Amino acid sequence: NAGVMQNPRHLVRRRGQEARLRCSPMKGHSHVYWYRQLPEEGLKFMVYLQKENIIDESGMPKERFSAEFPKEGPSILRIQQVVRGDSAAYFCASSPSWTATNEKLFFGSGTQLSVL
Amino acid sequence: AQSVTQLDSHVSVSEGTPVLLRCNYSSSYSPSLFWYVQHPNKGLQLLLKYTSAATLVKGINGFEAEFKKSETSFHLTKPSAHMSDAAEYFCVIIQGAQKLVFGQGTRLTINP
Repeated sequence: NAGVMQNPRHLVRRRGQEARLRCSPMKGHSHVYWYRQLPEEGLKFMVYLQKENIIDESGMPKERFSAEFPKEGPSILRIQQVVRGDSAAYFCASSPSWTATNEKLFFGSGTQLSVL
Repeated sequence: AQSVTQLDSHVSVSEGTPVLLRCNYSSSYSPSLFWYVQHPNKGLQLLLKYTSAATLVKGINGFEAEFKKSETSFHLTKPSAHMSDAAEYFCVIIQGAQKLVFGQGTRLTINP
């Protein structure tokens, strides 16, 4: 039973390029969450998605960032026109659909984005 | 809004000695609190959680935490540190449903 899978593990982009981060939730999980960890800081909530729906995107920057979780395939966090300040570790977590009030998330190992 | 404050950014102890990682919380209602551990280049692992049951919570790897409402604290302890405990530790509180709010983290170093 594979855990939450994120790829790539490391992603290097130049300023102005696009970054696509992928997250495959655990089997049977239909809720996905994205968190960002800036250097020397704790994780900050970005967005919460269910299949084909964005439930809470209150932590997403207003511009350049978007997320999706299609009916088939992984969840994608997309960052357009990356800047150096986007350099961070991006973590994905998933939870089972039957959990009404989630208290336990399963986290992936993260994607380290470096913007040159 | 719910929040947590980790009082030490870095803690260093000798192997075999006790570990204390401090966390204070702020909440307008009875909170759900967690401790997560992050080893280098790995994902987060849940150590333990408090959800208004017993105030002393036991977790994995010998860690435990005590919820003290009067002190608004949820400190993490372990009687005897092991080299493998070296990692970053995060105190976490739930804000609403589904959203975790993380503390700034405490880096634990174990000296041989």
